[in-house]
Amino acid sequence: IAGITQAPTSQILAAGRRMTLRCTQDMRHNAMYWYRQDLGLGLRLIHYSNTAGTTGKGEVPDGYSVSRANTDDFPLTLASAVPSQTSVYFCASSDSVAGGNEQFFGPGTRLTVL
Amino acid sequence: GQNIDQPTEMTATEGAIVQINCTYQTSGFNGLFWYQQHAGEAPTFLSYNVLDGLEEKGRFSSFLSRSKGYSYLLLKELQMKDSASYLCAVKVSNDLLIWGAGTKLIIKP
Repeated sequence: IAGITQAPTSQILAAGRRMTLRCTQDMRHNAMYWYRQDLGLGLRLIHYSNTAGTTGKGEVPDGYSVSRANTDDFPLTLASAVPSQTSVYFCASSDSVAGGNEQFFGPGTRLTVL
Repeated sequence: GQNIDQPTEMTATEGAIVQINCTYQTSGFNGLFWYQQHAGEAPTFLSYNVLDGLEEKGRFSSFLSRSKGYSYLLLKELQMKDSASYLCAVKVSNDLLIWGAGTKLIIKP
C-alpha cells in the first residue's frame, strides 16, 4: 500500500451495534487523526494521536474510542452506534516532528446508522 | 472560541480568475492551510501560509494577513476540473487544525 487506507468504504449499520473503522498508513507518520464530515459543517476532529501509545480527544469525541498500538494503525470504534453518527469519516496522518505540517487523508468511510 | 468563515458557494467562468476568502478567529495560530476536495473524495493539500504575504504555486496562489485574521485563495485560468470545494483550515497547536465549512466552487463554461 502507498499512503493511507481506510476500510470499509461504506457501511450500513443498525443502531446499537458496535463498529470499528480501520485506518492504516505506510508513511511512518507520527500523528494520526479521525474526522467526521457532515453536510454544511467543516471537518470535525473526533480523536487524534501524536505518537504510538498516546491518544487525545478532539472536538466531538463522545460515542467514539480509538487506540494506537503501533505507528501504522489507528482504528476508530463506535461502541453503540446511533443515527447521529451517520457521516463520512476521514482518517488522516501527518509528520509533525519533521515540520511538514500537511495532513494526508484516506479515501473515507461512508457510514449510515439506521 | 474558534471560528473560521468562508462563503458557502461561488460561481465562476472557465478561463477566469476567482478569489475565495477565509476569515478566522482562533485561540492560537501556527499557520493556515488550503485544501481542495472534489465531490465524494478526500481533501488534498493545496497550500500552507505561516507568514504574511502571497505564496504562488502555478495557477493557485494563497495570501495571508495575520493581523487581519484573513486569507484568500486565488485561482487563475479556471478549468472545469477546478470545480470542487475549497477548505480553509487554521493550525491552532502543534498537531491540531480547525476547519472552515468549505466553499463550493462551480465553474461554468
